[in-house]
Amino acid sequence: QKEVEQDPGPLSVPEGAIVSLNCTYSNSAFQYFMWYRQYSRKGPELLMYTYSSGNKEDGRFTAQVDKSSKYISLFIRDSQPSDSATYLCAMNNQGGKLIFGQGTELSVKP
Amino acid sequence: DTAVSQTPKYLVTQMGNDKSIKCEQNLGHDTMYWYKQDSKKFLKIMFSYNNKELIINETVPNRFSPKSPDKAHLNLHINSLELGDSAVYFCASSQVSGRISGELFFGEGSRLTVL
Repeated sequence: QKEVEQDPGPLSVPEGAIVSLNCTYSNSAFQYFMWYRQYSRKGPELLMYTYSSGNKEDGRFTAQVDKSSKYISLFIRDSQPSDSATYLCAMNNQGGKLIFGQGTELSVKP
Repeated sequence: DTAVSQTPKYLVTQMGNDKSIKCEQNLGHDTMYWYKQDSKKFLKIMFSYNNKELIINETVPNRFSPKSPDKAHLNLHINSLELGDSAVYFCASSQVSGRISGELFFGEGSRLTVL
């Protein structure tokens, strides 16, 4: 079993839809949770960062962490074609390696 | 001005050849990494250097040899290339190691194809 599981998709939604992306993990020591966005033929870039449990909002993006369920989510409101990318969850504990999920490929159709 | 730059971006070569990928970061970061991304987009760490010192060395064949001449540069040399080495190799950097916040800055990747 991988430490971090993420459905690779692909996920296709119409413009304006609410998108929900999720990851589950097995290591209860993870404390730092991130979402990276990777456009085609580019390197990943940090989108959202959360420490421990709770919610964090940044514009149209909301990251949620539920440590009791070992489950994290990224919500995208009013999705735009420019949101089309692969979204990778990543997590670690202090001093540990950053472990990535497989990434979910998202396509937002105009 | 590119923060993390890698060369070359594309590399096509024959099995058995030796090749190198170079990486430079101008962010003043202390830690640099090599990641491998396979065809299924799975991103896995290979090596990490902190201020020229190797701190993470995953289970990677010893045909892969990283080298950090200074903290702004991290190169990757691959000997005797195999078909399974075909992937995108990403260089990344971060401000601190040990207290890893997770904010890695990635280059655009070097796409290696072994024929």
